[in-house]
Amino acid sequence: AQSVAQPEDQVNVAEGNPLTVKCTYSVSGNPYLFWYVQYPNRGLQFLLKYITGDNLVKGSYGFEAEFNKSQTSFHLKKPSALVSDSALYFCAVRDPLSSASKIIFGSGTRLSIRP
Amino acid sequence: DGGITQSPKYLFRKEGQNVTLSCEQNLNHDAMYWYRQDPGQGLRLIYYSQIVNDFQKGDIAEGYSVSREKKESFPLTVTSAQKNPTAFYLCASGAIDVNTGELFFGEGSRLTVL
Repeated sequence: AQSVAQPEDQVNVAEGNPLTVKCTYSVSGNPYLFWYVQYPNRGLQFLLKYITGDNLVKGSYGFEAEFNKSQTSFHLKKPSALVSDSALYFCAVRDPLSSASKIIFGSGTRLSIRP
Repeated sequence: DGGITQSPKYLFRKEGQNVTLSCEQNLNHDAMYWYRQDPGQGLRLIYYSQIVNDFQKGDIAEGYSVSREKKESFPLTVTSAQKNPTAFYLCASGAIDVNTGELFFGEGSRLTVL
């Protein structure tokens, strides 16, 4: 069965420092991977996705993520954090070998950027 | 402009009452989803639909019902059989190539049972 894990409930980073939000996955085939961001009392917004090709994908707001097949990871990164990056981040995975419409979300990581 | 509209944003319900949450999209997406969000548990799939007049149960469908009579609409009914309905409910939609495409989310509906 497919699954996704975000091992850190919270990540704290000083403004201007690099940030990493971790995600690992388990699927039976080659995964389709996604990152979303959620601000308080709002819906989720799409940041970026990995389908195939270059392992480093770039997305919105200066975020990027690196797909690592051997470590089954898809960590979200940003070279220089902003206070406005503070939000809840979700990693999600779809296994193309399973139900076409089923996408699984991680439990979320709260990112807090201090000035 | 295109998007997904959920209503109401906030809803209060007495125990034993059914309540229906509305979800409308004008993105011409075939697939629509309902998720439940509880603190520390991420998003859990309730129901999804890939085409009009068809839908499938997700991981936590018990106590919920849906319909898909129109492509644009996917309402969710929280029935009195749902034991712990207080939560934040999110509706989403996706394009026909739903395997590779991202989901678009509404702003959510927060249901509180009194």
